[in-house]
Amino acid sequence: AQKVTQAQTEISVVEKEDVTLDCVYETRDTTYYLFWYKQPPSGELVFLIRRNSFDEQNEISGRYSWNFQKSTSSFNFTITASQVVDSAVYFCALSEEETSGSRLTFGEGTQLTVNP
Amino acid sequence: NAGVTQTPKFRVLKTGQSMTLLCAQDMNHEYMYWYRQDPGMGLRLIHYSVGEGTTAKGEVPDGYNVSRLKKQNFLLGLESAAPSQTSVYFCASSTPEARRHYEQYFGPGTRLTVT
Repeated sequence: AQKVTQAQTEISVVEKEDVTLDCVYETRDTTYYLFWYKQPPSGELVFLIRRNSFDEQNEISGRYSWNFQKSTSSFNFTITASQVVDSAVYFCALSEEETSGSRLTFGEGTQLTVNP
Repeated sequence: NAGVTQTPKFRVLKTGQSMTLLCAQDMNHEYMYWYRQDPGMGLRLIHYSVGEGTTAKGEVPDGYNVSRLKKQNFLLGLESAAPSQTSVYFCASSTPEARRHYEQYFGPGTRLTVT
């Protein structure tokens, strides 16, 4: 069975600090997909990134970067120069290769608070 | 395009009452999902559907029923609500085309309180 663990329940930083959110996953499949979602205080889920298991290239998008390491089953998310607007709950999720119905398994989420 | 919409946005039920949550999507997606979100537990899959007329159980299906009579709608029913079903419910949809079924689009959520 697939599982996603986000060991950091809450993180608090001061604006402009860099912060890394950890995500560790378990799966028996060789093909799978990893995601990060952001849930701001307004409650909606915002898609941030999807990563395929066969593509271990790290990715950078503005102040966001993702470090995917299959050897340690981790898919960590770093925010550089954090801003107050980054305050949200961040979820890591996993979807295994299936013939139909790609179900997502979510981690418990990390509440990030960026203080001014 | 409205994307994924959910009705209602908020609801308070008494124990034992029944209700139906409606999810609608206008993206012609084949797959639809219902999740619940509880504090500290992330989102958990309740039921999902891979096409009109088909449904399947997810991780936490007990106490819920679903129906997918039309491709664009996915209904979640609570026959006899219990306080343990107090949660925020999210609907999502995705398409199997071009292997994009891993990208799920989420609705805004329904906050349900059972007293």
